Amino acid sequence: GAGVSQSPRYKVAKRGQDVALRCDPISGHVSLFWYQQALGQGPEFLTYFQNEAQLDKSGLPSDRFFAERPEGSVSTLKIQRTQQEDSAVYLCASSFSRRLLAGDGDTQYFGPGTRLTVL
Amino acid sequence: GQQLNQSPQSMFIQEGEDVSMNCTSSSIFNTWLWYKQDPGEGPVLLIALYKAGELTSNGRLTAQFGITRKDSFLNISASIPSDVGIYFCAGQLSYGGSQGNLIFGKGTKLSVKP
Repeated sequence: GAGVSQSPRYKVAKRGQDVALRCDPISGHVSLFWYQQALGQGPEFLTYFQNEAQLDKSGLPSDRFFAERPEGSVSTLKIQRTQQEDSAVYLCASSFSRRLLAGDGDTQYFGPGTRLTVL
Repeated sequence: GQQLNQSPQSMFIQEGEDVSMNCTSSSIFNTWLWYKQDPGEGPVLLIALYKAGELTSNGRLTAQFGITRKDSFLNISASIPSDVGIYFCAGQLSYGGSQGNLIFGKGTKLSVKP
């Protein structure tokens, strides 16, 4: 079956431009996460959705970052007025369960990421 | 943001060698996970650990969840060339019984000995 897909895979933006990054989770997955991965670092949490509800956005670095998942499936991460420090790989992950269960149901499956470069 | 302490940062392997890496945290986690990331790809789950003290194997990989729930190690036995890549440990938070986001280490980069 299809995994998590993200588009575009690469995005180059001029400083000050707005960008929108798309995530298509695995069909039927309730939970969706966005992470930011700077070069040479591990991914860092940005925000979390259960269906269409954004339950945690504590990792968003500034109010220029906005995420939505209006129908509980596809999600978009938007960055307004991009800055050079926004350059990173943006990873999306989805998982099936909402309850904390031991087993495959709560495994987070990652997409390939979108590499954003801000010039 | 918070990241786990993962070591070593990098290591060189020769085919057939055993490899070991570990991860520590100042916080307690209910779940520890180990991921591998290849260039241009997202992390792929290798092993998940759910109980303190648990020792779990997946082929040539063995991982343990520390008794204190603040550490974990990953061993790779008899390494092969396709083991090269970046390995990340991650602790998982929870939201009142529901699963939450992952806190990652900075990664251990495995390369082939020249």
